[in-house]
Amino acid sequence: DSGVTQTPKHLITATGQRVTLRCSPRSGDLSVYWYQQSLDQGLQFLIQYYNGEERAKGNILERFSAQQFPDLHSELNLSSLELGDSALYFCASSTGGRGTDTQYFGPGTRLTVL
Amino acid sequence: AQSVTQPDIHITVSEGASLELRCNYSYGATPYLFWYVQSPGQGLQLLLKYFSGDTLVQGIKGFEAEFKRSQSSFNLRKPSVHWSDAAEYFCAVGDINYQLIWGAGTKLIIKP
Repeated sequence: DSGVTQTPKHLITATGQRVTLRCSPRSGDLSVYWYQQSLDQGLQFLIQYYNGEERAKGNILERFSAQQFPDLHSELNLSSLELGDSALYFCASSTGGRGTDTQYFGPGTRLTVL
Repeated sequence: AQSVTQPDIHITVSEGASLELRCNYSYGATPYLFWYVQSPGQGLQLLLKYFSGDTLVQGIKGFEAEFKRSQSSFNLRKPSVHWSDAAEYFCAVGDINYQLIWGAGTKLIIKP
């Protein structure tokens, strides 16, 4: 158990809908990362927050957005969903926000768009 | 630009045999190197990391990796694999200023 929690575990929705994925980092970690993992694209870094501020952006679509709240939990919002958005979405956390930090991954949310 | 290459998409190894997973990186300075493992249906877990010092790094679950600067490699090894080692393995490189750059992963299949 990494100490990172993600809810929900599974999500099934329809095209065009909007969903919110939630992540609680390990106690004491200030940085949260979001990743998308699909069969055809592999593991893709989406976005990182550090202590409430956006720190880095990866391959995140404009239809997707995220935020980190004062209690350090984070939410990833996915809107106008398409079939191709079906994937595993992972959250990870780290103490700091640099590339030298070990990232601790949550169990993921499996999103299925029908 | 920084990059990480894991040349093998899949590797099949017999149970009890030795294992080496390859990782090559392109990076200008001294890199910080990581190996993560993802068991089926799970999130990624850190196996080991190299920052400096001894170039042979020991990790969890009996894994080790060797940093070879001259070859820009950080290969992961295990002397004898177990069926429970079947998983996907990711190499990553980072530094103090940049985000982690991830390899594409190598899927390890264990033959009984």
